[in-house]
Amino acid sequence: DAGVTQSPTHLIKTRGQHVTLRCSPISGHKSVSWYQQVLGQGPQFIFQYYEKEERGRGNFPDRFSARQFPNYSSELNVNALLLGDSALYLCASSLDREKLGGQPQHFGDGTRLSIL
Amino acid sequence: AQTVTQSQPEMSVQEAETVTLSCTYDTSESDYYLFWYKQPPSRQMILVIRQEAYKQQNATENRFSVNFQKAAKSFSLKISDSQLGDAAMYFCAYRSFYQGGSEKLVFGKGTKLTVNP
Repeated sequence: DAGVTQSPTHLIKTRGQHVTLRCSPISGHKSVSWYQQVLGQGPQFIFQYYEKEERGRGNFPDRFSARQFPNYSSELNVNALLLGDSALYLCASSLDREKLGGQPQHFGDGTRLSIL
Repeated sequence: AQTVTQSQPEMSVQEAETVTLSCTYDTSESDYYLFWYKQPPSRQMILVIRQEAYKQQNATENRFSVNFQKAAKSFSLKISDSQLGDAAMYFCAYRSFYQGGSEKLVFGKGTKLTVNP
């Protein structure tokens, strides 16, 4: 079975531009989460979506937004890019069954975003 | 807010030997989950082991085991018979137990493990 897939693998943008990152979860997984990992740090939670609804939001500015589609894939959008947005953006999916809390999240390979 | 601390930025171990990675966390919750993830240079975050806070028995997965001390809020990872393929960044992560809520993981800053042949 295919794992979590993210596209693109690498992306170079300039300050002020907009970017869209994409994620396809593991088949059957309805929950998608996004994390930002700055070099040398652990991942920081940005968003979680379940059944197309936002389930959680981390401490990120409104320039960051996301959505989930009926097929459970997801997009992360970042507007007005800043140099500090340079990072690895990770997507994770899980079963998120209500009766089985603590389902582990499965991560994709990430998108490396560089801002010039 | 929950926090996770990994006090060892780097560790090294000889192949076939045992190494222990430390993790402490701070929370006011009584029920939660703890995870260890491995991130090799390929970037993908791979689940190594998980522990439910309500279980007293320490989790084990083949050569990987944890020492979960709930009162001390400590969650260390022991890797036995270390292999070259174990070399990676290791992250400790915390998740609230609340079902139906956010699945937010709180990560530590990571420990870089080097395995020497």
